[in-house]
Amino acid sequence: DQQVKQNSPSLSVQEGRISILNCDYTNSMFDYFLWYKKYPAEGPTFLISISSIKDKNEDGRFTVFLNKSAKHLSLHIVPSQPGDSAVYFCAASASGYSGAGSYQLTFGKGTKLSVIP
Amino acid sequence: GAGVSQSPRYKVAKRGQDVALRCDPISGHVSLFWYQQALGQGPEFLTYFQNEAQLDKSGLPSDRFFAERPEGSVSTLKIQRTQQEDSAVYLCASSWALVGIYNEQFFGPGTRLTVL
Repeated sequence: DQQVKQNSPSLSVQEGRISILNCDYTNSMFDYFLWYKKYPAEGPTFLISISSIKDKNEDGRFTVFLNKSAKHLSLHIVPSQPGDSAVYFCAASASGYSGAGSYQLTFGKGTKLSVIP
Repeated sequence: GAGVSQSPRYKVAKRGQDVALRCDPISGHVSLFWYQQALGQGPEFLTYFQNEAQLDKSGLPSDRFFAERPEGSVSTLKIQRTQQEDSAVYLCASSWALVGIYNEQFFGPGTRLTVL
């Protein structure tokens, strides 16, 4: 039972165009969402996050949109660059969910983005 | 470097062997997490420490898995009597956040464990 779903295993985009990566979640207790980028043989690198009190957060070329009613978030990369080619993971956490107060992250399976020069 | 480091980067074990995986978090980070990432999947939570206290071990798949962080800095994940299904990348992450404060987790490069 996947609580965080990334339904597109891969995405190809032309350099300079917009990349849109999508993520859906089922657990209504999730209230903090993050995007990580991962290159082969490296650990995930934090990109951008958003809390449930917002519907948009922007950082340079990266913007995350959150639609709570649809339990959907998306990451927009504009303009896309060849160096953006990597696997992107959507992750979510719920405050106090475990009772111990840990903020364990629940991850999707990832979307492999290829930016074509 | 200032990032999270893990050792060894690669480990091959024969089935039934015990292994120990080490994590050095970012200095001053109070929270430390272990995740397991199987091939083609996202990382899955194993356990969480706040300083030296293990506050959540709900993700550990069996009693063969044990983690410790005795002095609130370096952590070790131990797997006893390894099985083939334990083959995965084990990721360590740290965060400065205490309970109640959101903060991103910083990940190490992982240890790729292969059990033959």
